[in-house]
Amino acid sequence: EDQVTQSPEALRLQEGESSSLNCSYTVSGLRGLFWYRQDPGKGPEFLFTLYSAGEEKEKERLKATLTKKESFLHITAPKPEDSATYLCAVVPGSARQLTFGSGTQLTVLP
Amino acid sequence: AAGVIQSPRHLIKEKRETATLKCYPIPRHDTVYWYQQGPGQDPQFLISFYEKMQSDKGSIPDRFSAQQFSDYHSELNMSSLELGDSALYFCASSLEIYGYTFGSGTRLTVV
Repeated sequence: EDQVTQSPEALRLQEGESSSLNCSYTVSGLRGLFWYRQDPGKGPEFLFTLYSAGEEKEKERLKATLTKKESFLHITAPKPEDSATYLCAVVPGSARQLTFGSGTQLTVLP
Repeated sequence: AAGVIQSPRHLIKEKRETATLKCYPIPRHDTVYWYQQGPGQDPQFLISFYEKMQSDKGSIPDRFSAQQFSDYHSELNMSSLELGDSALYFCASSLEIYGYTFGSGTRLTVV
């Protein structure tokens, strides 16, 4: 069975304090790993898609990396506006639908 | 850029009533998905359509049905509503697995 596990469940950082979120996965043939940001009551906002081990992508203060077992979302010098829930999701095998992890709720304090 | 459009944004229904949610995918995307997200939970896949044909089913109750029309918009029909159906319902669309975009969601409250 395909599984996605995110850690930690919640993370509180001071503004400027860099950290990483983890997403470990067990899937039958990874087609893509996705990172989304979700604010309360809103739809998931696309951040990155990674397709193969060793791939890295960056956007502003965020950098996503992928290995054969896990992905990391590195947040450099976060700001309060980065506070949100970060969701990791995978597309396994021949499927197209996403299987989500339970998310990491990030709070950045000023 | 065009996004995924969902309506209505909010919906309040009584138990045993019926609700219909609408979704307009991004033009030229070939797949539409419906997800349900309960309070404090991650989105759960319900059903998807590829080129207007049902392609996959997830944990969708038998009381729910969905279809995709000739103009590519999709509707999720929910009958005999229960209190436990209260949730955020998201529609998403993609081209193959690229450009996977979610709508803003419909918040359904069953009272």
